[in-house]
Amino acid sequence: GQQVMQIPQYQHVQEGEDFTTYCNSSTTLSNIQWYKQRPGGHPVFLIQLVKSGEVKKQKRLTFQFGEAKKNSSLHITATQTTDVGTYFCAAALISNFGNEKLTFGTGTRLTIIP
Amino acid sequence: DAGITQSPRHKVTETGTPVTLRCHQTENHRYMYWYRQDPGHGLRLIHYSYGVKDTDKGEVSDGYSVSRSKTEDFLLTLESATSSQTSVYFCAISGGRQPQHFGDGTRLSIL
Repeated sequence: GQQVMQIPQYQHVQEGEDFTTYCNSSTTLSNIQWYKQRPGGHPVFLIQLVKSGEVKKQKRLTFQFGEAKKNSSLHITATQTTDVGTYFCAAALISNFGNEKLTFGTGTRLTIIP
Repeated sequence: DAGITQSPRHKVTETGTPVTLRCHQTENHRYMYWYRQDPGHGLRLIHYSYGVKDTDKGEVSDGYSVSRSKTEDFLLTLESATSSQTSVYFCAISGGRQPQHFGDGTRLSIL
């Protein structure tokens, strides 16, 4: 089956430093999605990337989709305490029933040192 | 947040007992999903539903069954719970090729 590797597993940064998490797939992806899960919370959708080489920004967050559509990254500039949580990438596979089945990466847990 | 309610939120039970978790939605979405979340594994899909009485297996379906008798409810059943099924279970819904919205989760401990 599809495998999605995500690194690093943990990242501790000083507040104000940058943070990056990387996601790699063994197969070419139709699209990739990113979710954030706060401690004790549930995953919340952040963004979807569809096109080869696509770059999208949400304030201090920059998402990239690789040219070969096999890898993706999430970069946070100047981290804040509100960025604490676990970030997951999820590879989408279109099912025969019209929906997307997601294969999640193992996540990167971000902690911020004030 | 999307209208998704999971019940119970916490449950402790013994090995060999049956357990049923409920997911209720008020969004009238066609698709519903059950995931389990374990340290080091991220979220893994157990089963999903693409309509009333229509379900399909995910990557970790062994030991689990599901049922969907009406659009708003999706039940996950562990027929005979084992300690390896101790986990946090999340329900999610989507309108198809749309982002998935997750419930608050059920923390299940099997002793």
